[in-house]
Amino acid sequence: EVQMLESGGGLVKPGGSLRLSCEASGFTFSDHGMTWVRQAPGKGLEWVSSIIGNGRSTFYPDSMKDRSTISRDNSKNTLYLLIQNLRAEDTGVYYCARVVRGYYYMDVWGRGTTVTVSS
Amino acid sequence: IQMTQSPSSLSASVGDRVTITCRASQGVKEYLAWYQQKPGRAPKLLISAASDLESGVPSRFSGSGSGTEFILTISSLQPEDFATYFCQQANSFPLTFGGGTKVEI
Repeated sequence: EVQMLESGGGLVKPGGSLRLSCEASGFTFSDHGMTWVRQAPGKGLEWVSSIIGNGRSTFYPDSMKDRSTISRDNSKNTLYLLIQNLRAEDTGVYYCARVVRGYYYMDVWGRGTTVTVSS
Repeated sequence: IQMTQSPSSLSASVGDRVTITCRASQGVKEYLAWYQQKPGRAPKLLISAASDLESGVPSRFSGSGSGTEFILTISSLQPEDFATYFCQQANSFPLTFGGGTKVEI
């Protein structure tokens, strides 16, 4: 069964940093791009970052590119997201999702990990 | 590319035909996906490439459109379909989602 399990969320003070992890199983991890998507409480979905299968190319929206780093360790089937200088508006559920090969649709999602930025 | 969904919410009954529209601010060819999300759950991919139904998704769901206008249709609403639906363009970065359409009883 294809699965992703996120971890690393929690309560962080404004200005702090957090590294999220997503452990994948049930498929050849290196064959797929991966994506982080977040959802603020009661709001819609927001794309955070993507990375291709071999990790050599990464993509960010302008709002995240100076504060976040996506990476992966294919030997551990694990995806990471480091977010620095956290702000209240970064609060939400962070999902990792597998990218359909060749296209940036997300066909399998983890359950999410919750990040709360508050003093 | 901005994605605009309408309506933002709708009320319907079991058995109703429901349509949700997603408009892109620029053409995205057919690089459009639809997701379903239930409260407290992760989104689920229903349709990719504007009209390709994902494996295991009931045939009452269908998608159409290309360019800037897309439609998700539920031909006969079932109790388990009450959820929020999002569109997403995959034509270019940054990937963008519509604001969502909440389907309520």
